[in-house]
Amino acid sequence: GIQVEQSPPDLILQEGANSTLRCNFSDSVNNLQWFHQNPWGQLINLFYIPSGTKQNGRLSATTVATERYSLLYISSSQTTDSGVYFCAVGYSSASKIIFGSGTRLSIRP
Amino acid sequence: GAVVSQHPSWVICKSGTSVKIECRSLDFQATTMFWYRQFPKQSLMLMATSNEGSKATYEQGVEKDKFLINHASLTLSTLTVTSAHPEDSSFYICSAPPVQAGGQGNEQFFGPGTRLTVL
Repeated sequence: GIQVEQSPPDLILQEGANSTLRCNFSDSVNNLQWFHQNPWGQLINLFYIPSGTKQNGRLSATTVATERYSLLYISSSQTTDSGVYFCAVGYSSASKIIFGSGTRLSIRP
Repeated sequence: GAVVSQHPSWVICKSGTSVKIECRSLDFQATTMFWYRQFPKQSLMLMATSNEGSKATYEQGVEKDKFLINHASLTLSTLTVTSAHPEDSSFYICSAPPVQAGGQGNEQFFGPGTRLTVL
């Protein structure tokens, strides 16, 4: 099956810093989503981005499907950005998506 | 829009009992829903695909007789953990893609999760 790798596994930054999270996948995909899991476990949809670039406030994402990777950019980090960020990909006729291992982001005040 | 709810949000039970978890799509219909399990500090692992009106499809290594799935309507799927044991303690999360033309590559929305503790 498809492999999904995220890097870095852990990231500690000062408030105000910028960060880039990466998601590599081993096969063609028809779905790619980025999520933020809050401390209570809820997954928050950040981007649905099987290809191209999107921006939402301080966050933006780019997926280069032909090279099998996606990037999530967080600018001017805030302490509330802390948590685990997951990318998940779908690759078959079924709608299921497979998760990467996540990046744990800690923003220090 | 695209809100998914789960009930209960947490449950504690004795070893050997069965626990039912409900997943509802509140403002859309879903012919397919998905069940995931997440252990502490790990990623989400897909357990099974719940199909409205037909049998669920289980991922490799998931015991279908232990994790019973019923998708009774276009807005409700249930996961029953039968004869639960301490090793079944985990965070269970459901998701659903809204029904739309084509059906492939749909954005998925997740419930808030159910934390199961088996004593």
